[in-house]
Amino acid sequence: DVKVTQSSRYLVKRTGEKVFLECVQDMDHENMFWYRQDPGLGLRLIYFSYDVKMKEKGDIPEGYSVSREKKERFSLILESASTNQTSMYLCASRPRGRNTEAFFGQGTRLTVV
Amino acid sequence: KQEVTQIPAALSVPEGENLVLNCSFTDSAIYNLQWFRQDPGKGLTSLLLIQSSQREQTSGRLNASLDKSSGRSTLYIAASQPGDSATYLCAVADRGSTLGRLYFGRGTQLTVWP
Repeated sequence: DVKVTQSSRYLVKRTGEKVFLECVQDMDHENMFWYRQDPGLGLRLIYFSYDVKMKEKGDIPEGYSVSREKKERFSLILESASTNQTSMYLCASRPRGRNTEAFFGQGTRLTVV
Repeated sequence: KQEVTQIPAALSVPEGENLVLNCSFTDSAIYNLQWFRQDPGKGLTSLLLIQSSQREQTSGRLNASLDKSSGRSTLYIAASQPGDSATYLCAVADRGSTLGRLYFGRGTQLTVWP
């Protein structure tokens, strides 16, 4: 079975902190994604990556950056956390190609105080 | 831009009922449609993936259909159980976008009571 693992289930951070959310997949997938999920807004795409060191902006990249130094790991970085970044963050991976199945991690509930 | 709608937003049924969840999308140019389940506070679990060339896909008590030309999919759950209580999301892999990115509906929150 594909496994996508997010480093934390719950995080509480202070405003202004630099925050790292880590995601690791064990199936050699080329494509990885970061979403945030908020009540009433659904899932929104923040960033995605189709290869090591490659990244593309999604719909809401402001205030975030990403890093993909190794194929299995995709990190989301909040440069200076703000209260409006309190959310559920979901990582996903898919094999190469456009017609492939997506697999998600268990989610990280981030609270910024 | 692809828009995905799920109706109803919430559904409450007694155990044992057969039920249908609906998903519609605005652009029929898709690679596939995927149904997910999400338990409270957790990530998404993939249930079924239907390729654009397929009409139907089955897994246990779940059956998903796809009518690409009309932009609709349904998820049929037979003999519902309390353990089926969760939010169900559909997503389409859009042909017109980079990587065939997924566009999600906002989900149907299902409650099955004993």
